[in-house]
Amino acid sequence: AQTVTQSQPEMSVQEAETVTLSCTYDTSESDYYLFWYKQPPSRQMILVIRQEAYKQQNATENRFSVNFQKAAKSFSLKISDSQLGDAAMYFCASLEVQGGSEKLVFGKGTKLTVNP
Amino acid sequence: GAVVSQHPSWVICKSGTSVKIECRSLDFQATTMFWYRQFPKQSLMLMATSNEGSKATYEQGVEKDKFLINHASLTLSTLTVTSAHPEDSSFYICSASLLRRRWDQETQYFGPGTRLLVL
Repeated sequence: AQTVTQSQPEMSVQEAETVTLSCTYDTSESDYYLFWYKQPPSRQMILVIRQEAYKQQNATENRFSVNFQKAAKSFSLKISDSQLGDAAMYFCASLEVQGGSEKLVFGKGTKLTVNP
Repeated sequence: GAVVSQHPSWVICKSGTSVKIECRSLDFQATTMFWYRQFPKQSLMLMATSNEGSKATYEQGVEKDKFLINHASLTLSTLTVTSAHPEDSSFYICSASLLRRRWDQETQYFGPGTRLLVL
C-alpha cells in the first residue's frame, strides 16, 4: 500500500522568504505521480504542482518548485518569495494507477503560516 | 474549465435522518468520481471510487450500507449518508477525473466540499 508522510505539522516563514516543506512516500509501483495541494481556509483543494515519477527534471510552477529524489522517495516543496496568500494547509499526495483505476493518497498535511 | 460543484455546501440534520450530497462536473464528463472525508485538522481520506453505471468501490473500513453512492451519469454522483449520527459529522469532498484526460490536465478536480453536522 502506498503511504505518504509529512513530518512537519506546522511551519512558518517570513513574507518574501523561502520555505521548504518535506514529504516522503512509499510505493511499490514504478509508474506514479506526486502532487502538492494547497487547502486554504475555504477548504477548496488547489493543485500547486505535480511531478511524474518517470521525469528526472524537477517540476516548477512560478514560485513553487519541488526537489524530487526518487531513490530516497522524497518530494519536498520549496516556496520562494513567500506571500501572505500562501498561508494554508499543504498536502503532499501520491497517485498510483493500477489496472485502470487510480488512487490518490494524502499525507497528514503541513500548516504554513506566513508572517508579515 | 473543469469545474466541480457540490450541493449543499452546508447541511445540519437530526440524528437518524438521511442526507444526500450531490457532486457535479459542470463542464466536462467524468469517467470516475471520488468521495473523500476530512475530519477537522486532518487529512483527506478516500472513502470510495465510483464509475458511471457501475457499483462504487469502497475503501476498507467504510460501510457501504451507511454511505450509499450512486453515479447515474457522467456528470453526477451522489453520496447518501443513511441514518446519520453525530460521529458522521465531517467535511465531505468529491473529486472528478476527466474522461479522455490529456497529459497536461489535472488527474482529479475537486469540489468545494460539504460540511455535515449531525445533531
